[in-house]
Amino acid sequence: AQSVTQLGSHVSVSEGALVLLRCNYSSSVPPYLFWYVQYPNQGLQLLLKYTTGATLVKGINGFEAEFKKSETSFHLTKPSAHMSDAAEYFCAVGPDGSARQLTFGSGTQLTVLP
Amino acid sequence: DTGVSQDPRHKITKRGQNVTFRCDPISEHNRLYWYRQTLGQGPEFLTYFQNEAQLEKSRLLSDRFSAERPKGSFSTLEIQRTEQGDSAMYLCASSAQGTGKDTQYFGPGTRLTVL
Repeated sequence: AQSVTQLGSHVSVSEGALVLLRCNYSSSVPPYLFWYVQYPNQGLQLLLKYTTGATLVKGINGFEAEFKKSETSFHLTKPSAHMSDAAEYFCAVGPDGSARQLTFGSGTQLTVLP
Repeated sequence: DTGVSQDPRHKITKRGQNVTFRCDPISEHNRLYWYRQTLGQGPEFLTYFQNEAQLEKSRLLSDRFSAERPKGSFSTLEIQRTEQGDSAMYLCASSAQGTGKDTQYFGPGTRLTVL
C-alpha cells in the first residue's frame, strides 16, 4: 500500500519569494509521483510528474520537483511566487509503478501575500 | 482537443433521493476514473474502467454506489438513497494506456450537496 504526507496544510509566502511545498510518500515499489494544482471550484490540473529517469522534474508555470529516493520525498518548488500561484496543491503517488488508482495527500493551501 | 467534462456541475438533493452524474472523457482515452473529494481533503479513489470493463473498485464504493461505462466512452456514477455523508465533490479523470501515456487528466467535478 502507498501513502502520501503533505507537511503543512497552509503555507504563506510573499510575492517573489521561494515556494516550497513538502511531500513525503511511502511505496513498496518504485513510485510514480505527481503534483496537481486545484483552483477554487475547479478540477485538478497536472503540474508535473515523475515516472523514471531524471530525478529533477520541471513542470508548468515555473514549478519543479525533485525525487529523492533516500528521503522518500518529492518536494515542489518555485523560485519566485506570483499572486496567481495561490491555490491548493496536491501530491499523489501511483501504485505499482503506474499511474492508476492515485493516492493523494490531504493538500497544501498556498497563499501569496502582496 | 476538449478536456474531460462532467455534468451537472452542481447537484442539490434531499436525503434518500437517487442521483446520477455523467463524465465524458478525452476522446482517445480508454481509461476512466472516479474520485470523491470531501472538504479539506485530497481526492479518494472510487473506481476505474478500462474501456467498458470496471477493473478496480475501492471499499469506499458502498452498495449504494454504482458506476457504468457501457460503450467504453462516457461513464455514469449513480448514488442511491443518498445520505448527508455523500456530500462531496465527485471528480472524473481519464487517461490513455501505456508507459508515459497514463497521466490522469481531471474534469471540473460535480459538487453534490445532500440536505
